[in-house]
Amino acid sequence: NAGVTQTPKFQVLKTGQSMTLQCAQDMNHNSMYWYRQDPGMGLRLIYYSASEGTTDKGEVPNGYNVSRLNKREFSLRLESAAPSQTSVYFCASSETPPGPRGYTFGSGTRLTVV
Amino acid sequence: RKEVEQDPGPFNVPEGATVAFNCTYSNSASQSFFWYRQDCRKEPKLLMSVYSSGNEDGRFTAQLNRASQYISLLIRDSKLSDSATYLCVVNGRGDNFNKFYFGSGTKLNVKP
Repeated sequence: NAGVTQTPKFQVLKTGQSMTLQCAQDMNHNSMYWYRQDPGMGLRLIYYSASEGTTDKGEVPNGYNVSRLNKREFSLRLESAAPSQTSVYFCASSETPPGPRGYTFGSGTRLTVV
Repeated sequence: RKEVEQDPGPFNVPEGATVAFNCTYSNSASQSFFWYRQDCRKEPKLLMSVYSSGNEDGRFTAQLNRASQYISLLIRDSKLSDSATYLCVVNGRGDNFNKFYFGSGTKLNVKP
């Protein structure tokens, strides 16, 4: 089935470790997004990419980097993880601009930083 | 001020009840409005887009009030399976037109 695939689903890191969250979509969407979701805070945009080769900061970009490897893939990197980055991370994709079908989300990555 | 604000609830209703949620947004230039549903520990999924004239999909009705800058979701004949968190979503302003802003969600519990 067409959709958005994220890996890994769960991860525990020690403070200072690095990791990359992977996201791939097969919906032929131009736009891709990384959100984090914390209790009571809703979904907050970290970075987004309106097309291959372009990336822009969202509301909470500090501590993160992204790479739009090609049209299908958009990765999120934590260079030096901190406990404040404990969260659920969602990747999403959409048409540009998002049409009536809105965003399609991946199933999420639950990250704990200890 | 948050871009999108929702009552977090929870709304506890019996099966068969009608329940309504409102959501206010701050950007008068917003053009795209949606309701998403999110089950516990799952990703958000699109429930319905919200059109200017209002729209209905089965037991669900969405309305937009531009003058007061709010959108609403009405659920009739609630089912146990409607228990979830409902997220209000609007697009941003200016250069952020292509980006969505999410409310924190309203939790609905439908009881037998």
